[in-house]
Amino acid sequence: GAVVSQHPSWVICKSGTSVKIECRSLDFQATTMFWYRQFPKQSLMLMATSNEGSKATYEQGVEKDKFLINHASLTLSTLTVTSAHPEDSSFYICSAMGSTTDTQYFGPGTRLTVL
Amino acid sequence: QKEVEQDPGPLSVPEGAIVSLNCTYSNSAFQYFMWYRQYSRKGPELLMYTYSSGNKEDGRFTAQVDKSSKYISLFIRDSQPSDSATYLCAMSAAGKLIFGQGTTLQVKP
Repeated sequence: GAVVSQHPSWVICKSGTSVKIECRSLDFQATTMFWYRQFPKQSLMLMATSNEGSKATYEQGVEKDKFLINHASLTLSTLTVTSAHPEDSSFYICSAMGSTTDTQYFGPGTRLTVL
Repeated sequence: QKEVEQDPGPLSVPEGAIVSLNCTYSNSAFQYFMWYRQYSRKGPELLMYTYSSGNKEDGRFTAQVDKSSKYISLFIRDSQPSDSATYLCAMSAAGKLIFGQGTTLQVKP
């Protein structure tokens, strides 16, 4: 099956700093990548959709200047949380979708803790 | 009303039981229906993928879709302790996935 990796798997940072999370599709070309956020015991909430070479499309209520998304190649997308605050602490999960399928394959997630 | 409704549980069953997990939805535009399994602190893993009404079987798992009733189900036969996880239904339209809240399942030895 399709494999998606995320790095780092967990990160702790100080309030006010920026954190970058990488999402890679390892064995297929991902024309579209998605970024989700998940709070404890809750479902996944879509933050943004990114297509390779294009600007990301953000969901309502998601600050595009705070959550910077770059999808520079068909195998890599990055999410940068800028000026992180404790309320940004969450589980961030990416998914990737190829051009010939509607199936999204998920990464293992990144747990962010902002102190 | 949420687009996708799923009972969060928790659901606790003895090993070997048949498990039934369900979701209802309101948006007729949903075309693809998926079930994901998520272990604690891990990303969701795709279990089943269907796009038409009817049943689809894969090993101990059977996915059922009833578009007329806007209702989907996942059945797990001969449940095992390793099946203990959160099960998320998801539905797709225009390339976006809408998830249910997830049902937490515990299979006791």
